[in-house]
Amino acid sequence: TQLLEQSPQFLSIQEGENLTVYCNSSSVFSSLQWYRQEPGEGPVLLVTVVTGGEVKKLKRLTFQFGDARKDSSLHITAAQPGDTGLYLCAGGRTYKYIFGTGTRLKVLA
Amino acid sequence: DAGVIQSPRHEVTEMGQEVTLRCKPISGHDYLFWYRQTMMRGLELLIYFNNNVPIDDSGMPEDRFSAKMPNASFSTLKIQPSEPRDSAVYFCASSPWENRASYEQYFGPGTRLTVT
Repeated sequence: TQLLEQSPQFLSIQEGENLTVYCNSSSVFSSLQWYRQEPGEGPVLLVTVVTGGEVKKLKRLTFQFGDARKDSSLHITAAQPGDTGLYLCAGGRTYKYIFGTGTRLKVLA
Repeated sequence: DAGVIQSPRHEVTEMGQEVTLRCKPISGHDYLFWYRQTMMRGLELLIYFNNNVPIDDSGMPEDRFSAKMPNASFSTLKIQPSEPRDSAVYFCASSPWENRASYEQYFGPGTRLTVT
């Protein structure tokens, strides 16, 4: 059973466009993380959110944790080719993180 | 810091053979995790250790898989005998786990295993 569903699965956009990626679950998580993974490498942590309703910004990336701590979103403003990669959300439960299905983003120059 | 080191980076083996994957965590990290990533199932936690002791191995698929951490700077994941369905990228990650509410995992580059 996949606890964390991400949408969309694939996204191809032009440089300069905005996009939002969603991470949804029916379960409550103590914290939620977003990672970016590039081909041939391991995931790299972008952000951790722990409070319901929390919003964090990392340059052009905005992360939000849902009020009920069951969902999250990642918004990228003015996407650049360097943003290309696999974006993974991970929900924290009982000392371990469960990873979502992933969104594969491609930003075209 | 060199980060998490995994070896080999690529492994191709025949069905039935024993495979051993190796991991050196970041020095000073108390926690070590083994994950498996496939297109179908995504990134799955197999097992994790705290201070070299296995804490949760509920993700280990079956008895053919075993993991050890003989000391703080080395861990192995062994598959014996290997099967084609074991083909995946295996990641090792370590964490200092300073905050129980959340913690950052540092992933290695992974080992791509192909079982023919």
